[in-house]
Amino acid sequence: EVQLVESGGGLIQPGGSLRLSCAASGFTVRSNYMSWVRQAPGKGLEWVSAIYSGGNIQYGESVKGRFTVSSDSSRNTLYLQMNSLRAEDTAVYYCARSRSTTEGHAFDIWGQGTMVTVSS
Amino acid sequence: DIQMTQSPSTLSASVGDRVNITCRASQDISSWLAWYQQKPGKAPKLLIYKASSLQRGVPSRFSGSGSGTEFTLTISSLQPDDSATYYCQQYKSYALTFGGGAKVEIK
Repeated sequence: EVQLVESGGGLIQPGGSLRLSCAASGFTVRSNYMSWVRQAPGKGLEWVSAIYSGGNIQYGESVKGRFTVSSDSSRNTLYLQMNSLRAEDTAVYYCARSRSTTEGHAFDIWGQGTMVTVSS
Repeated sequence: DIQMTQSPSTLSASVGDRVNITCRASQDISSWLAWYQQKPGKAPKLLIYKASSLQRGVPSRFSGSGSGTEFTLTISSLQPDDSATYYCQQYKSYALTFGGGAKVEIK
C-alpha cells in the first residue's frame, strides 16, 4: 500500500528545534518529488519545502534559513529539521508526494499529519 | 510569489445542486493548477490536477476548467459527502501557493 506516516511533532519552546520524519511505503522517496505542507490551526494550507532526488531543494520564504529538508534512501524516509522555532510555526505538518516528476507538484499522496506547537 | 484567490469563501447548497468554486491567480499559470478536498481533521485529498484532469478514484461529479488566471471547480450534483473545504493550488512556480479555501456546507 502506498502511504506516508509522519512522526516527531510535539510541544517545543520558542527558539527550540525539532525534527519531523515521514516514512514512506509502497514507493521510493528518492525517486519522487516530496514536500512538506503545513496548516496552522483553523487556517489554510502553506507549502513549506520540496526535495527531489536528495539534491534539488526549495523552501518557502517564511522558513528559509531555519528549516532543512533531507531524505534517507536506506530508511525511505523524508525529514524536516526545524530550528529557531517561532509561535507562528505552530501547525499540523503534512508530508506529501507529487504525482509526477515531469508535470509538477500536484500532491496525490499525503500523510496523516503531525502537530507542532511552539509555546512557552 | 503567485497569489491564489478563491471565491466564495463559504457557500451553502442543497443536495443535488450544481456548485461552482472559482480560483484566480495573480499571474498566468497556464494549466498548472490542482484542486483538493479537505474534511475536518483529515489530510487534503487530490481531486483535479492540471486544471481539468480527474484524479483516479474521484467521482465524476467533480470537474475542473480554466487556464491562465481563472479556474473553476464544479460539483455537478452536490452530495452529503461533499461537505468539506476545497483548496486550489498553483504549481507553475516556486513558492507553491494555495488559495484560502472554500467551505461547502449542505443545507
